[in-house]
Amino acid sequence: NAGVTQTPKFQVLKTGQSMTLQCAQDMNHEYMSWYRQDPGMGLRLIHYSVGAGITDQGEVPNGYNVSRSTTEDFPLRLLSAAPSQTSVYFCASSYRQGRGNTEAFFGQGTRLTVV
Amino acid sequence: KQEVTQIPAALSVPEGENLVLNCSFTDSAIYNLQWFRQDPGKGLTSLLLIQSSQREQTSGRLNASLDKSSGRSTLYIAASQPGDSATYLCAVAFGNEKLTFGTGTRLTIIP
Repeated sequence: NAGVTQTPKFQVLKTGQSMTLQCAQDMNHEYMSWYRQDPGMGLRLIHYSVGAGITDQGEVPNGYNVSRSTTEDFPLRLLSAAPSQTSVYFCASSYRQGRGNTEAFFGQGTRLTVV
Repeated sequence: KQEVTQIPAALSVPEGENLVLNCSFTDSAIYNLQWFRQDPGKGLTSLLLIQSSQREQTSGRLNASLDKSSGRSTLYIAASQPGDSATYLCAVAFGNEKLTFGTGTRLTIIP
């Protein structure tokens, strides 16, 4: 089982450049989300989606865009990279169940450095 | 503000000992709580998920408990092994699907 697949694994960007982090899952999960992980701050929610065509902002959405055209894919776009966006980015997915979700599955992460 | 706290930030234990990792949260109206393991440079691996109606869950040498009234969860690891060395993260769904994470406890098992 592939689970949640993120690409690329590593990326270096110059300030002002744009790029898209890819996330795909093969478990037919309705819920997908993006987090960033920074030292001493834990994982923080950037954007999430409860199904195709539906997205919403998390705790730290500024500077990022998302879209959800299919159940499987949930790309994260950096519009104009800034050094403050240097971080490790994780994509996660899960089934929706009632008001919440089932067990969350995470990708292996994308380590992004903005210089 | 709904917060999740994990203390201590780091813990070293001799191999073979039983140990407890702690997670506290500020709001008792949770939907579920999940424990993850993260190895250096890797993603998160789900260990146990406890629904709000449950008191504990077990998987092998791991046992997670949940006490909503006191806002606490513990992860018990029996007969620790060097392979258990990792960072353990607690995440809480406060009444909906969004997870709020603690900053983790870095566990080192000393051979």
